[in-house]
Formats: sequence, C-alpha cells, structure tokens
Amino acid sequence: KQEVTQIPAALSVPEGENLVLNCSFTDSAIYNLQWFRQDPGKGLTSLLLIQSSQREQTSGRLNASLDKSSGRSTLYIAASQPGDSATYLCAVRPSTGFQKLVFGTGTRLLVSP
Amino acid sequence: AAGVIQSPRHLIKEKRETATLKCYPIPRHDTVYWYQQGPGQDPQFLISFYEKMQSDKGSIPDRFSAQQFSDYHSELNMSSLELGDSALYFCASSFWGSGAQYFGPGTRLTVL
Repeated sequence: KQEVTQIPAALSVPEGENLVLNCSFTDSAIYNLQWFRQDPGKGLTSLLLIQSSQREQTSGRLNASLDKSSGRSTLYIAASQPGDSATYLCAVRPSTGFQKLVFGTGTRLLVSP
Repeated sequence: AAGVIQSPRHLIKEKRETATLKCYPIPRHDTVYWYQQGPGQDPQFLISFYEKMQSDKGSIPDRFSAQQFSDYHSELNMSSLELGDSALYFCASSFWGSGAQYFGPGTRLTVL
C-alpha cells in the first residue's frame, strides 16, 4: 500500500528565505507526482506536476524535483513571501492502473513579514 | 480559464438525512474524482468515473453512491448521514491518462 510522508509537518520562516519541502513515498511504481497548495478551509491549487519520466519541473519561484527510485520529491520555494503561507501537499498517482491520488500529510508553511 | 465547479459550497444536514453534492468538470475533461477531507486530515479518495463508467473505488461507504452523467457532470449522493461524514468534499477532473487532476473549491458538509 502506497504511503506518502511529508517533512517537516510545519515550518515557519522569515520573508525572503529559500526553503525546501520534502515528500517521500514508499512505492516507486508511480505514474506522476503533483504538488498542491491549500489555504485554510479552501480548495487544492495544483502547483506542479512531474511525470515519472521527468526529474524536475519549474514554475516561477517554485521548483519540484523527483527521484523516483529513492521515493523522494522536493519542492523548492525561492525568496519566500507572506503570501506563500499555506499548507503544501504532495500526492502520487500509482502506476498500477488506478487513477486515484494518494496524498501526503502536508507541510504547513508560515512566512513572516 | 474555466475551473471545476462544485455546488453547493456549504451544506448543513441533520443525522440520518440525505445530501447530494454536484460537480461540473473542466470542459472537455472526461474523468471525475471525488475526495473527502476530514478536519486536519489529508484528502482521501472516494471514487472516480471515466466516460460515465466507474473507473476506481476507494474508501467510499456503502451509504454513498455516485454517478457521472452524459454531460460529464457528477453527483455524490450520501444517505443516512452520520456526524463523522462532516468534511470537505472535493471533486477533481482530468483528461484520462494525462495525469494532472484539477480540484474544485469543495463542498463543506456539516452534519448536526
């Protein structure tokens, strides 16, 4: 059974810092991995999608990497801003023919002005 | 760009009542997914549909049922509601096989 873990569970940084969020998964047989942002009580905003054949994806200040063989992904946020404060979730889609996403436990980020 | 639409956004029900949640996928997306997110928890997959057929099933209670209609919108029907059903219910859509799932704003269901 696929399990996804995110470390740290919570992170508090001053504005302007570069930071790394970690995601690990137990089964390397994945189709892709998605990073999401969730504001309190709100929906999930897709940030980046990495296919299993890819190593990284970039969007603006965000860069996500994938090491499928070791079951790890990282989300790098450059020059953090208070508006980045949210919960960040990674989710993997197993490659076993099913389409569901298996979500991690999330990292709650607080960026202070 | 058009996004996934969910209605209602908020719903309050009493125990043992029924509820129907609706989802309108992004135009031309052929696959719809339902997820449940309890307080302080990560989203859990319930069920998905591709071209109006159930394509995968997760931890969906027998009291719940869902379907996808000819216009690709989907409805999640929940009966004999329990206090533990209080949660955010998300719908997501995608092209079959393309990978990225796009989520709606969610329906917050409160069971009293």
